[in-house]
Amino acid sequence: EPEVTQTPSHQVTQMGQEVILRCVPISNHLYFYWYRQILGQKVEFLVSFYNNEISEKSEIFDDQFSVERPDGSNFTLKIRSTKLEDSAMYFCASRPQQVHEQYFGPGTRLTVT
Amino acid sequence: RKEVEQDPGPFNVPEGATVAFNCTYSNSASQSFFWYRQDCRKEPKLLMSVYSSGNEDGRFTAQLNRASQYISLLIRDSKLSDSATYLCVVKGAIYSGGGADGLTFGKGTHLIIQP
Repeated sequence: EPEVTQTPSHQVTQMGQEVILRCVPISNHLYFYWYRQILGQKVEFLVSFYNNEISEKSEIFDDQFSVERPDGSNFTLKIRSTKLEDSAMYFCASRPQQVHEQYFGPGTRLTVT
Repeated sequence: RKEVEQDPGPFNVPEGATVAFNCTYSNSASQSFFWYRQDCRKEPKLLMSVYSSGNEDGRFTAQLNRASQYISLLIRDSKLSDSATYLCVVKGAIYSGGGADGLTFGKGTHLIIQP
């Protein structure tokens, strides 16, 4: 069964550094998402992406965040200057057209020190 | 701020018992509803979508009451492997900017099935 994959599984970075989290959505899916989950808290929506542009973003997704689909398979989330409070699990998700269900990758655990 | 509310539990239930979870959502314009399960430090996994007519998948039954903005999940003949956190999830008309595709998650209900 096709799955969303994410790399790395765990990223440790210093405050102020840039990080790029990578996702490979399921191949026939057209809608892509990033969510985060701070330890012990609920999953929170960051951004949705369709047809090579952002279709929706939350208030969490400020100027420090950006997303890109650099080629036909990868979908990335960049955090320009990480803060301690960016430490969280970051989940990528995707879905096909005309289906509402979103399928999640295994996540990248980001630790900012 | 549009929210999804769940009882966090934990629910401690003997194996074989029936257990029910409830969830309420605040945005009446919400369009789609789901239950996901999440194991410790893992990704949310789709359990089932929730339809207005109610739907069943094996031991799992989901119900939606749009008038009361209330969603439920019933698990029959519970198994040890059902131990997890169950996330109530709502989609639609949550954020400004015109889109309505982001999912809003509840904090989850923690279920422990005891042998």
